[in-house]
Amino acid sequence: QAGLTQPPSVSKGLRQTATLTCTGNSNNVGNQGAAWLRQHQGHPPKVLSYRNNNRPSGISERLSASRSGNTASLTITGLQPEDEADYYCSAWDTSLSAWLFGGGTKLTVL
Amino acid sequence: EVQVVESGGGLVQPGGSLRLSCTASGFTFSTYWMTWFRQAPGKGLEWVANTNQDGSAKYYVDSVKGRFTISRDNAENSVFLQMNSLRVEDTAVYYCARSVDYWGQGTLVTVSS
Repeated sequence: QAGLTQPPSVSKGLRQTATLTCTGNSNNVGNQGAAWLRQHQGHPPKVLSYRNNNRPSGISERLSASRSGNTASLTITGLQPEDEADYYCSAWDTSLSAWLFGGGTKLTVL
Repeated sequence: EVQVVESGGGLVQPGGSLRLSCTASGFTFSTYWMTWFRQAPGKGLEWVANTNQDGSAKYYVDSVKGRFTISRDNAENSVFLQMNSLRVEDTAVYYCARSVDYWGQGTLVTVSS
């Protein structure tokens, strides 16, 4: 199954704002929205947002998710050192009946 | 508090079998899809299989079709992944999740001779 498209890396300065993108098509991101997960090295993934900006309890309000057409975005404001991690998007594809993932974006906080 | 806990991982030879278990708590298990994901060493995340609320619908990634079987026991709040004909490329940390929104800590499966 083909995946979603994420930029491999994004670098931003401390306290700046980073916007991560995830592009799919009308069968996945454009239809169901995307989930966003963060993974620090050596740790399991943590869900940040699912089904159009539903945030699990305990997730910082500095993170917000949105969607425009077939592209989902995760915006992180006031970047902190702990935001440095790998970020993955995922979406259910109604045509393939499969969960698709992006390849992940490595966010570096300078 | 929602929790999912995986177990059953380990070392197995190519061609062997393994059964993963996942026990959930903190939510009404029988009303949610359940999903297995995996992550090979140094690689990204990959969906493996999922099943609907009563187990009547099951979906698999192409690479495991015919080898892996997902099942669930709503009375025990558990979901399982029976893995047969294991290959070296199945080596990964396997994660159980409630749909996609709550994930466990994972269990490591190593396929090696």
